[in-house]
Amino acid sequence: QLQLQESGPGLVKPSETLSLTCTVSGGSISTITYYWGWIRQPPGKGLEWIGSIYYSGNTFYNPSLKSRFTMSVDTSKNQFSLKLSSVTAADTAVYYCAREVLEGVHYYGFDVWGQGTTVTVSS
Amino acid sequence: SYEVTQPPSVSVSPGQTASITCSGDKLGDKYACWYQQKPGRSPVVVIYQDNKRPSGIPERFSGSNSGNTATLTISETQAMDEADYYCQAWDSSTGVFGAGTKLTVL
Repeated sequence: QLQLQESGPGLVKPSETLSLTCTVSGGSISTITYYWGWIRQPPGKGLEWIGSIYYSGNTFYNPSLKSRFTMSVDTSKNQFSLKLSSVTAADTAVYYCAREVLEGVHYYGFDVWGQGTTVTVSS
Repeated sequence: SYEVTQPPSVSVSPGQTASITCSGDKLGDKYACWYQQKPGRSPVVVIYQDNKRPSGIPERFSGSNSGNTATLTISETQAMDEADYYCQAWDSSTGVFGAGTKLTVL
């Protein structure tokens, strides 16, 4: 069964760059109908879609967020990654990676999620 | 940018029907999904593509989406359904989540 696991530093200093990786196991990241997404959730608040990436490297970002996010994919490692530059305290959140399913024009949503990784921005 | 609005909270008595709305401009032209999140857990999709239930989701969960409003309906609500529920609007590879609705079963 497919599993996703986020990894990265739990603590990042303001103005630094946060790097997170999501490792996919139990299935291939290079599957036509799947996109791979990042979602974050600040403490006590709601979900925020950051963006999604296809195995080919095509990316889709939340237009409401400033362009500090960069996603990439490494099919050889079955991983995809997120970088966030110039972090501030407002970036403190649980960061989730998730599989997003799109078959043609039929959208199935985020059907498999990682457990989430807590990132705190503090000096 | 596109936004969807949910009520912050909904209360329901056990065994009754709970309805949670999600409103957005021409939301009916987009796909709506609903996610359930319990404390300390990752979200789980309970409705996708407006009204489809993933395998393993009880039949008491149903959805609709028309005009400017998507609705998640939980029939015969159980205590275990108490959670935060998020709607997600999706269109052309871009998605947005609502702020979430806390469902209280009391």
